[in-house]
Amino acid sequence: AQRVTQPEKLLSVFKGAPVELKCNYSYSGSPELFWYVQYSRQRLQLLLRHISRESIKGFTADLNKGETSFHLKKPFAQEEDSAMYYCALLNSGYSTLTFGKGTMLLVSP
Amino acid sequence: DVKVTQSSRYLVKRTGEKVFLECVQDMDHENMFWYRQDPGLGLRLIYFSYDVKMKEKGDIPEGYSVSREKKERFSLILESASTNQTSMYLCASRQWTSSGANVLTFGAGSRLTVL
Repeated sequence: AQRVTQPEKLLSVFKGAPVELKCNYSYSGSPELFWYVQYSRQRLQLLLRHISRESIKGFTADLNKGETSFHLKKPFAQEEDSAMYYCALLNSGYSTLTFGKGTMLLVSP
Repeated sequence: DVKVTQSSRYLVKRTGEKVFLECVQDMDHENMFWYRQDPGLGLRLIYFSYDVKMKEKGDIPEGYSVSREKKERFSLILESASTNQTSMYLCASRQWTSSGANVLTFGAGSRLTVL
């Protein structure tokens, strides 16, 4: 079964500290993974996807097939990074997205 | 710039009432989705539609139905609302491509409270 696991409900860091939001997946095949973000009072929106291999707002995520992980990283957290972050996996067949339960990131000054 | 519009931001209904949640997109997208968002449970797919008059069950379709009579509109229907359907409901759309951009555009959400 396809599954996305985000082990942390809440991650609290200080401004300037490194951040790593964990995401592990279960999928038999070549996975396509995404990170979505929801800032306070805003819509859920795409942050980045692994096929693009891009850095958005200083965040990067590398697909590690051996560890079945797609962790989201940023070297220096900013207060404006505080948000809810969801990892998502593209399902085979109907190509729907399965989301993890989300991690709330709080960056304190 | 608004692309996915959910008609109601907040609704309060009573147990047993029939509830309609409307979603309209102006991007001519073929695919549309309804998710519910609950703290600690993340987003769970209720129903989706790949084209007009087409619908498929998601992971938690029980107690819900949908309607897609026009390409731009996807409605979620709660035939008889229950308190466990109190939640935030998110509509999303996507333009399907063979290369699979697979990026969802979300609405602002409809927060439903069932008393």
